[in-house]
Amino acid sequence: GAGVSQSPRYKVTKRGQDVALRCDPISGHVSLYWYRQALGQGPEFLTYFNYEAQQDKSGLPNDRFSAERPEGSISTLTIQRTEQRDSAMYRCASSPGDTIYFGEGSWLTVV
Amino acid sequence: AQKITQTQPGMFVQEKEAVTLDCTYDTSDPSYGLFWYKQPSSGEMIFLIYQGSYDQQNATEGRYSLNFQKARKSANLVISASQLGDSAMYFCAMRDSPGGGGFKTIFGAGTRLFVKA
Repeated sequence: GAGVSQSPRYKVTKRGQDVALRCDPISGHVSLYWYRQALGQGPEFLTYFNYEAQQDKSGLPNDRFSAERPEGSISTLTIQRTEQRDSAMYRCASSPGDTIYFGEGSWLTVV
Repeated sequence: AQKITQTQPGMFVQEKEAVTLDCTYDTSDPSYGLFWYKQPSSGEMIFLIYQGSYDQQNATEGRYSLNFQKARKSANLVISASQLGDSAMYFCAMRDSPGGGGFKTIFGAGTRLFVKA
């Protein structure tokens, strides 16, 4: 596609449920990033991939969060046993090597 | 350690005047890149300008220029001739290769710019 595509755009889930957020990067982009952004704050690094390899997951808050990119293209960020504090915008971005290009984000609300 | 700092939570500028948004960074990697992004109220992240650590000249893109002072580890964004549409959040970002392969990009906390008519 022309840009980074994320789905769902909006997700409301009950506390304790698992959530999967999908990212379809720009075709051919080697690197893929996941960020979390609270209102009025900067994107907080979660994890990133080069091709299918997860290079750094130091930003994942705890072991309820995981991400994968099995074929080096589409990526999924999974949050298990969601908590209210997980409510935020989750942004995916992809890069051919330097500039990163963001998707529109997935708004997650945990009630 | 990789770190990026924006010390101005908010800035006001009069329309048609220039404004400088501050950004300092820290990295042990000699090869790195610096970026600025604009986030309007719509929420999208718009790439503005890029500066590589080995670039000899300061980057410019239209009304945007990046004042790169390597020794001071600063990468301030200068917006000339401010317009009302420049009102937005601005984020400074740094990409380096902290080890383990590939590049990692982190963002500052942002500066909210208000342009007054």
